Amino acid sequence: DVKVTQSSRYLVKRTGEKVFLECVQDMDHENMFWYRQDPGLGLRLIYFSYDVKMKEKGDIPEGYSVSREKKERFSLILESASTNQTSMYLCASSFFSDTQYFGPGTRLTVL
Amino acid sequence: AQRVTQPEKLLSVFKGAPVELKCNYSYSGSPELFWYVQYSRQRLQLLLRHISRESIKGFTADLNKGETSFHLKKPFAQEEDSAMYYCALRVGSNYQLIWGAGTKLIIKP
Repeated sequence: DVKVTQSSRYLVKRTGEKVFLECVQDMDHENMFWYRQDPGLGLRLIYFSYDVKMKEKGDIPEGYSVSREKKERFSLILESASTNQTSMYLCASSFFSDTQYFGPGTRLTVL
Repeated sequence: AQRVTQPEKLLSVFKGAPVELKCNYSYSGSPELFWYVQYSRQRLQLLLRHISRESIKGFTADLNKGETSFHLKKPFAQEEDSAMYYCALRVGSNYQLIWGAGTKLIIKP
């Protein structure tokens, strides 16, 4: 059974703080993704990675960066959190173009 | 540009009634389409994909290339079908998916 875990379910940060969201998958998947999930907007891709140290920008990369130093781990970094980054963040992984498996999500609130 | 449209943000039907969640896409090539579902307090998960041509939890979806649609249907809704449903499109051999905005389905008792 594929397992995708995210470091926190809920996170509250202050404007300007640096925020790290971590995602770990245990199925040796090549691809990992970070999405924002907002009501009425669906899922929007922030970044994805197709291999260790490889990354590509998604639809809304501004204000975010990512790191993939190990195959199983994909981190999302908010360099200086802002209130408009308050959202649900979903991590997913997949084996090439196969089904995406999602983590439980991190609800981030930026005050 | 490729796009997925789910015209209904909210769909409310009575238990036992038929359900149809609409999904339209824009893409001129051969698409690969998916329905993902998120039940309350659960993670997003794949419900079905058009290439499988299977019925999952009583749901089916047929790809209509002429109408560029991939509507999700179930003849008799059950209360446990209440969830958020997302339609998604894969273009070519891309790893990425293009997502619709989602439809919240509420099944009334």
